[in-house]
Amino acid sequence: SYVLTQPPSVSVAPGKTARITCGGNNIGSKSVHWYQQKPGQAPVLVIYYDSDRPSGIPERFSGSNSGNTATLTISRVEAGDEADYYCQVWDSSSDQGVFGGGTKLTVL
Amino acid sequence: EVQLVESGGGLVQPGGSLRLSCAASGFTVSSNYMSWVRQAPGKGLEWVSVIYSGGSTYYADSVKGRFTISRDNSKNTLYLQMNSLRAEDTAVYYCARTNVLRYFDWVPLFDYWGQGTLVTVSS
Repeated sequence: SYVLTQPPSVSVAPGKTARITCGGNNIGSKSVHWYQQKPGQAPVLVIYYDSDRPSGIPERFSGSNSGNTATLTISRVEAGDEADYYCQVWDSSSDQGVFGGGTKLTVL
Repeated sequence: EVQLVESGGGLVQPGGSLRLSCAASGFTVSSNYMSWVRQAPGKGLEWVSVIYSGGSTYYADSVKGRFTISRDNSKNTLYLQMNSLRAEDTAVYYCARTNVLRYFDWVPLFDYWGQGTLVTVSS
């Protein structure tokens, strides 16, 4: 089955830019979705199809995908962005959803 | 307004069974794809199962043969029947509406989630 690899943690100072990566074999040929999960809450979709934002998600959230790495970028990071972030694809060969292991974003 | 409300979680002994429910409002379950996603304590998200609008069902390898996803169209409710439960099945179980926004790039995503229900498998 397809495997997605994320760094366990990323730290960033307020106002700076955070980049969270999601690695996978030729992931650039797939479409990737990203979710934010704050403690005690259900996940929320923040980026879909690599770089699209659902309504209500700030423009500070953006995404890209090329080669073996997809990236979620959060500009001008705020304290409220502190959360776990997960990438997700769909393995169409087995009709199974696949999540990355998650990355904890800490705002210093 | 789309809402998903899970219920049915609780404490069960290893080898036991449990049925989770997910009551939906604001949309029709049978016209959509629906999934179950779980999260073990302190761990990441794990996709569990999907039921397509046409009725086809698929499962993660970790639950295949033990879990069954189904729906009751008259009640607009999604279910997950869990049998032969193991300690490693302990998790918060979320139901999620599973949407495909681009049929030329068919990659389902989870656009609405319930609040989750906790299943604890322990003796």
